[in-house]
Amino acid sequence: AQSVTQPDIHITVSEGASLELRCNYSYGATPYLFWYVQSPGQGLQLLLKYFSGDTLVQGIKGFEAEFKRSQSSFNLRKPSVHWSDAAEYFCAVGAGNSGYALNFGKGTSLLVTP
Amino acid sequence: DAGVTQSPTHLIKTRGQHVTLRCSPISGHKSVSWYQQVLGQGPQFIFQYYEKEERGRGNFPDRFSARQFPNYSSELNVNALLLGDSALYLCASTFGTSGGDTQYFGPGTRLTVL
Repeated sequence: AQSVTQPDIHITVSEGASLELRCNYSYGATPYLFWYVQSPGQGLQLLLKYFSGDTLVQGIKGFEAEFKRSQSSFNLRKPSVHWSDAAEYFCAVGAGNSGYALNFGKGTSLLVTP
Repeated sequence: DAGVTQSPTHLIKTRGQHVTLRCSPISGHKSVSWYQQVLGQGPQFIFQYYEKEERGRGNFPDRFSARQFPNYSSELNVNALLLGDSALYLCASTFGTSGGDTQYFGPGTRLTVL
């Protein structure tokens, strides 16, 4: 079964600094990969997704992610973090048709300092 | 266009009681999925429904059940509530059931079991 690991539980970044959130997946075939963001007390908002083609994916709010099959990774990046980016970030993997479900990592909490 | 809506927003129940949570998908979307998010964890898949039929089920006990109506809205029912059922319950809608389909999440229902 597919699974996702987010190694970092908490990350603190200064405003204006670059950001990279790590995600490693386990799946036999090419997976469908997603990054979602969750603000306190809110639902999940999709930042970007990958399922084929160009391995560098652009998303909303200036985020991008790179799919690296050799490393089973799908890390999220942003060149310059804003205070409003403070939130919980979830990587998820999905696969196939007929009742597919997203398997989420445990999330990475991002704190942005002035 | 309205996004995914869920009701109620918050709910407090006692152990042993029954609860019904409701979800209305985005207009035109035919698939609804339910997830449970315990505090500090990523969401866990409970059910997926497409065209009123169950298409997938996660590792949850039979106390959890769901259904989808002709208008594609959905209900999640939980019987004999336990303290451990306290969580944020998220509903997500997609147009179809392809692994690449984006799941759009509602704001969730916060269930507290006392």
